[in-house]
Amino acid sequence: KAGVTQTPRYLIKTRGQQVTLSCSPISGHRSVSWYQQTPGQGLQFLFEYFSETQRNKGNFPGRFSGRQFSNSRSEMNVSTLELGDSALYLCASTTGNTDTQYFGPGTRLTVL
Amino acid sequence: AQSVTQLDSHVSVSEGTPVLLRCNYSSSYSPSLFWYVQHPNKGLQLLLKYTSAATLVKGINGFEAEFKKSETSFHLTKPSAHMSDAAEYFCVVSVLNYGGSQGNLIFGKGTKLSVKP
Repeated sequence: KAGVTQTPRYLIKTRGQQVTLSCSPISGHRSVSWYQQTPGQGLQFLFEYFSETQRNKGNFPGRFSGRQFSNSRSEMNVSTLELGDSALYLCASTTGNTDTQYFGPGTRLTVL
Repeated sequence: AQSVTQLDSHVSVSEGTPVLLRCNYSSSYSPSLFWYVQHPNKGLQLLLKYTSAATLVKGINGFEAEFKKSETSFHLTKPSAHMSDAAEYFCVVSVLNYGGSQGNLIFGKGTKLSVKP
């Protein structure tokens, strides 16, 4: 089975722009979670989608949003980018009724 | 509330010597516990998972972890370190907090393992 894939792997944007990241879960997995990883804050939970519905949401501003499609692929969007949004963004998938999450390789976002 | 504490931010060992990465957890019920590994600029890879079936859990790449309820610990060990083990390791507890703001996994701060030749 193919693992979790994330595109693009690297992104460079400037402040004020917006960005969309994509995540394709493992086949058959219906839940996708997103995390932000920075050296200072570590791994922080952004949100989780299950069957196209947001099930959990972390404590991030409204500039961070996401969605899930009927094929379970998920996107997250960050609007009005700030320098502090530079991070590794990880997505993880699971079947939805277990707690074992499988992670993708991440998207490295750099905001200049 | 569930939480996890990794007792060392950095551990350095010599190749061929044992590895011990320490993790304590706090949970109001019998938790699911995980160890994940992250190599530089990569995603997180699942090393092993504890689900109460057995207190000693064997994972990939020769790693294992022992669940000790009396000590609320879940330490990760490997008998003999290899250069390729150099990475960051995360101890994680599951909360299955549907609708909450924490998400379903609580991560420790991570332990960076260095392996000297």
